[in-house]
Amino acid sequence: GNSVTQMEGPVTLSEEAFLTINCTYTATGYPSLFWYVQYPGEGLQLLLKATKADDKGSNKGFEATYRKETTSFHLEKGSVQVSDSAVYFCALSVLYNQGGKLIFGQGTELSVKP
Amino acid sequence: NAGVTQTPKFQVLKTGQSMTLQCAQDMNHNSMYWYRQDPGMGLRLIYYSASEGTTDKGEVPNGYNVSRLNKREFSLRLESAAPSQTSVYFCAVRQAEQFFGPGTRLTVL
Repeated sequence: GNSVTQMEGPVTLSEEAFLTINCTYTATGYPSLFWYVQYPGEGLQLLLKATKADDKGSNKGFEATYRKETTSFHLEKGSVQVSDSAVYFCALSVLYNQGGKLIFGQGTELSVKP
Repeated sequence: NAGVTQTPKFQVLKTGQSMTLQCAQDMNHNSMYWYRQDPGMGLRLIYYSASEGTTDKGEVPNGYNVSRLNKREFSLRLESAAPSQTSVYFCAVRQAEQFFGPGTRLTVL
């Protein structure tokens, strides 16, 4: 079946540190991959996405590259800010599988200290 | 343009009580979803609706029913609430990617 595994949190970093959150997936077919972010007390927002192998998604200084050979979609940011503190979810979607539902990893909480 | 709205934001129920969570969208999307979010488990799909008048089960449908009476609205009903249904519930709509509502935090005592 389809599944997503993310590194466990919480992750605590100092401001301006480099961030990596690992995400690996198992999927049949050709999934699209996503990173969603959830700020405290809010719903999920799409951060970035990639729809095919070797695509790089990027937004707000975050990047992730769709690596089919390693079935990975790791999230990176070169210099984190306090405002990046949130929970980050890796997810995949396979079109035509249950209406394109999202399958989520368990989430990684990021805390950035000044 | 409110996007996806959910009501209520918070609710406390006693075991055995019933309630309906409401979701409405003004984005004109066909597909709508209900997820629940539990600590350490990410979000899990309860039910989805590919279009008006159609609904299908997701991963964790037991104890829930849904209704998609029109394109805008997709409601989730708990007929007899149980403590295991204490969770945060999110409605989402989809075109190329999913847009989420702000969530309903439900506690069942």
